Amino acid sequence: GESVGLHLPTLSVQEGDNSIINCAYSNSASDYFIWYKQESGKGPQFIIDIRSNMDKRQGQRVTVLLNKTVKHLSLQIAATQPGDSAVYFCAENTSGTYKYIFGTGTRLKVLA
Amino acid sequence: EADIYQTPRYLVIGTGKKITLECSQTMGHDKMYWYQQDPGMELHLIHYSYGVNSTEKGDLSSESTVSRIRTEHFPLTLESARPSHTSQYLCASSEYGTGFSGANVLTFGAGSRLTVL
Repeated sequence: GESVGLHLPTLSVQEGDNSIINCAYSNSASDYFIWYKQESGKGPQFIIDIRSNMDKRQGQRVTVLLNKTVKHLSLQIAATQPGDSAVYFCAENTSGTYKYIFGTGTRLKVLA
Repeated sequence: EADIYQTPRYLVIGTGKKITLECSQTMGHDKMYWYQQDPGMELHLIHYSYGVNSTEKGDLSSESTVSRIRTEHFPLTLESARPSHTSQYLCASSEYGTGFSGANVLTFGAGSRLTVL
């Protein structure tokens, strides 16, 4: 079936370095792709979204890249900080529907 | 800061008990959702609602039930809890086009962690 998956379950990054979290998707009909951050004991929190007709979107210290040719999504975090330690989920959504497909999550560990 | 609240945050109960997990949002969102999440795993949709008096089952089969009598309130009930119901339950709401690129962004509560003995 259609799914969203992640290549790396755990990513360890030195504080100050850049982090790249990857996601593969299979539903070419999805209109939006969204990254969520989930800290321990909390619900997922919205980070950034990108529409399917875009290749790149930048936020504060974060950049999302979308490669529709290979159905790949990535989240880049610049100058990773200890507060970035969390589990990151990508999700895809088709416009006008309730259906969000979540991946299994990547745990980001920031090393001091 | 999310304006969606879940209670209780943690609940440990015995098998066969009836439980209700509360979820309230102050954002006036029409759409609300319940997800089930095992630790470190993906979220599975178990119920959703498009508005008052509208409820539907999600992709993951669940023995729980929901109601939507008021816009801001979306409680989830288990009539007879079993150990297999042990999980984290996340409530969320959304409004159309709230993302930076127009996505329907979900706003989540902090979750209710249920343990059934």
